[in-house]
Order: sequence, then C-alpha cells, then structure tokens
Amino acid sequence: DGGITQSPKYLFRKEGQNVTLSCEQNLNHDAMYWYRQDPGQGLRLIYYSQIVNDFQKGDIAEGYSVSREKKESFPLTVTSAQKNPTAFYLCASSIEVGDYNEQFFGPGTRLTVL
Amino acid sequence: GQNIDQPTEMTATEGAIVQINCTYQTSGFNGLFWYQQHAGEAPTFLSYNVLDGLEEKGRFSSFLSRSKGYSYLLLKELQMKDSASYLCAVRDHSGNTPLVFGKGTRLSVIA
Repeated sequence: DGGITQSPKYLFRKEGQNVTLSCEQNLNHDAMYWYRQDPGQGLRLIYYSQIVNDFQKGDIAEGYSVSREKKESFPLTVTSAQKNPTAFYLCASSIEVGDYNEQFFGPGTRLTVL
Repeated sequence: GQNIDQPTEMTATEGAIVQINCTYQTSGFNGLFWYQQHAGEAPTFLSYNVLDGLEEKGRFSSFLSRSKGYSYLLLKELQMKDSASYLCAVRDHSGNTPLVFGKGTRLSVIA
C-alpha cells in the first residue's frame, strides 16, 4: 500500500525538550511539506522540500528544523525555541504531473507540550 | 499578501443542499483545491479547479471564477457523515509548490 505515515499519532513532551516528528512516504513523490494546525485555524506552512538535500522555510519556520537526506523521509524537529509547540502537525507530499500537483496528507501527529 | 476567506461555521439539514463559499486574493493562481477534514484526521482531497466553471463529482461540485477570485463547494443530498471541516486552498505558484489554505468551514449536518 502506498501512502504517507507519520509517527507517533500522539506525542507528549516536557517544556524545553526538543522532539522529532517522523514523516515517511513511499509514493515516490518529489516534494514534501510540513503544516501546523491549531484549533479553529487552517493549515500553516512550516517547511517544504522540493528535492532531496534542499528545503525552504514556510510562513512559521521559527523554532523548527528539518532535513531531507532521503526522498522518502522528511523529519521535523520542534526545538525548545518554539514558543507554543502544542498543535496538530500534518505532513504532506506531492508530485507534479503536467501542471497538476495534488497534495496527499499523512494521518498527523498531535503534539502536547506539558 | 495572501488571503483566503471562508465562513467559519455552517449548519444544514440532512438531505438538503449546502454551498460553501471561498474568496481568495493571492499573488498568483495555479489552481484551487477543496479538502474535507474530519476532526482529528488528515485532510482528504475533494476537488480541483483551474479553469472557470463547474466541476461535478457525485454529490460534490466545485465552481471557480478566476476574474472574481471566487469558488464554492456544493454538497447535495447531505448525509450525517458530511459533518466535517472543508478547506479551500490555492496554489499560487506553478511547479511542485505549497498550497495556501483558508481557515476552513466547519459544517454540521443535523437531522
């Protein structure tokens, strides 16, 4: 089965600790994205990567870091510098076919910082 | 700047028709997407419009007017399972680029 996996589904951390969220896809998609969603809010872009070993900041990159060492993997680290990290984190991937690129989403990770 | 507006909440009756509007002001336009998101779950793709007009897919239809910066999602024969958030998203650049999302419209279907 092709798809995007995120683990874990629920994550609890103490304030001041760094935490890494996993995102893996076996769709052979070139681009991968991280979004954050807060209650009553839309999806806000944290980072994205269009190709291996390259990534760009989104609208709310402060306090986050990413890497793209493999096409299949795009882990997100939430650092202690992120002031309000409790949120629902969604990973997505896409491939461009002609002028069309639909984004497919993983199941999400709900991070709670205590 | 980028701005996508949708109503925050809507309520409709089972079996009825509901229209969810979306207006956008973005630096560019390369397509508009509608996603459905149930609480605590990932968004799932519903429809895509890049040219003006209506796209129909079963009980769901989506309309686009590029000159007006306007789209709507039409849901017919509403079912209780249609209670969810509906996200409007615009691709403002060509290529494999991120989408700009609205805040979503939470639809409640009541009996």
